[in-house]
Amino acid sequence: NAGVMQNPRHLVRRRGQEARLRCSPMKGHSHVYWYRQLPEEGLKFMVYLQKENIIDESGMPKERFSAEFPKEGPSILRIQQVVRGDSAAYFCASSPPRQIYNEQFFGPGTRLTVL
Amino acid sequence: GQQVMQIPQYQHVQEGEDFTTYCNSSTTLSNIQWYKQRPGGHPVFLIQLVKSGEVKKQKRLTFQFGEAKKNSSLHITATQTTDVGTYFCAGGGYGGSQGNLIFGKGTKLSVKP
Repeated sequence: NAGVMQNPRHLVRRRGQEARLRCSPMKGHSHVYWYRQLPEEGLKFMVYLQKENIIDESGMPKERFSAEFPKEGPSILRIQQVVRGDSAAYFCASSPPRQIYNEQFFGPGTRLTVL
Repeated sequence: GQQVMQIPQYQHVQEGEDFTTYCNSSTTLSNIQWYKQRPGGHPVFLIQLVKSGEVKKQKRLTFQFGEAKKNSSLHITATQTTDVGTYFCAGGGYGGSQGNLIFGKGTKLSVKP
């Protein structure tokens, strides 16, 4: 059973470009979470999604950021018109269908660098 | 909103010494989870505590959940170099916020051989 997969592992973008980060959850997992981590910082919750639904996006910046988890295919975190401050590691985590208080399985992350 | 504070931010110990990190929440938690992140790696789940006053052990690691379910600690006995990394606590809320976890900023542990 493959773990959570994220690609690309490293992404370099120039200011103003778009960044698309992909996350494939573990097999059988229907819940996906996105976190951002700045160097030497903790993990900041961004968004929680189930298939075709955004459950909680309270941590997502109102502008330029969007996330989706379509019926088929990976979850996508999109950052439009990137700025230098968007440089960070973005981690995706997944958990199985709602039991209660599920642990989260993290992917290896995408390191985004904005030049 | 809900906040999870974690102290200390950094801890340097000699191999064989003990280590403790503390986690405090501004609100009552439904559960608390602990994760470890090695340098350059991703967070890996260690344990989950749900009940008030719960204590769990994993070999040299002891995890506690406070009676009020607002604080927690992780204690490592006789640290080894393999314990190096950042330890995060993550608190779960109630109701609509059950799904997402609020992470503390972590305690970065370094172990001198």
